[in-house]
Amino acid sequence: AIRITQSPSSLSASTGDRVTITCRASQGISSYLAWYQQKPGKAPKLLIYAASTLQSGVPSRFSGSGSGTDFTLTISCLQSEDFATYYCQQYYSYPLTFGGGTKVEIK
Amino acid sequence: EVQLVESGGGLVQPGGSLRLSCAASGFTFSSYDMHWVRQATGKGLEWVSAIGTAGDPYYPGSVKGRFTISRENAKNSLYLQMNSLRAGDTAVYYCARGAVAGSIDYWGQGTLVTVSS
Repeated sequence: AIRITQSPSSLSASTGDRVTITCRASQGISSYLAWYQQKPGKAPKLLIYAASTLQSGVPSRFSGSGSGTDFTLTISCLQSEDFATYYCQQYYSYPLTFGGGTKVEIK
Repeated sequence: EVQLVESGGGLVQPGGSLRLSCAASGFTFSSYDMHWVRQATGKGLEWVSAIGTAGDPYYPGSVKGRFTISRENAKNSLYLQMNSLRAGDTAVYYCARGAVAGSIDYWGQGTLVTVSS
């Protein structure tokens, strides 16, 4: 199975900050990577697929980059509604695997 | 509007069985791959199974041989038969739609499965 290492596991930031989260795959996955946002008690929400394509309705302050084994999610100007946990996921091959998550907390 | 509504969760003893259902609406169910993803309390997401439009199933090693995914397109329904349940299977189970691009684009609200004596 492809392992996805996500970092950091948590971070503290202030509204207006630029935030970066990274994921590294144990083998090349081309651009078959998605990013999800999850708020407490809620289902995950798709933010980005194909490493850098914004899902419809997702604010443009979210962006993704990378290919192969290294990927980045960037939130350019953190808003109050962005405090949540973020997960990356590879869908290059089964079994699908997720990163461990990054909890973005208020500083 | 895409809607996915899970049911069938509950308390079951170790070694027992449970069948989860997912009622889908708002899209052509037969045209999409479907998934089950679970999340233990306070933990991350774990993919549990998928089924393709042709009924081809996929599982990770942790549930293979114990869980069976199926679909009934005429009823717009997805199922997960879970046998030989263990304490480690305790989690919220989400039904989710596979996106055309391959990721997962819609999720249900989840159903809680608790395996305990």
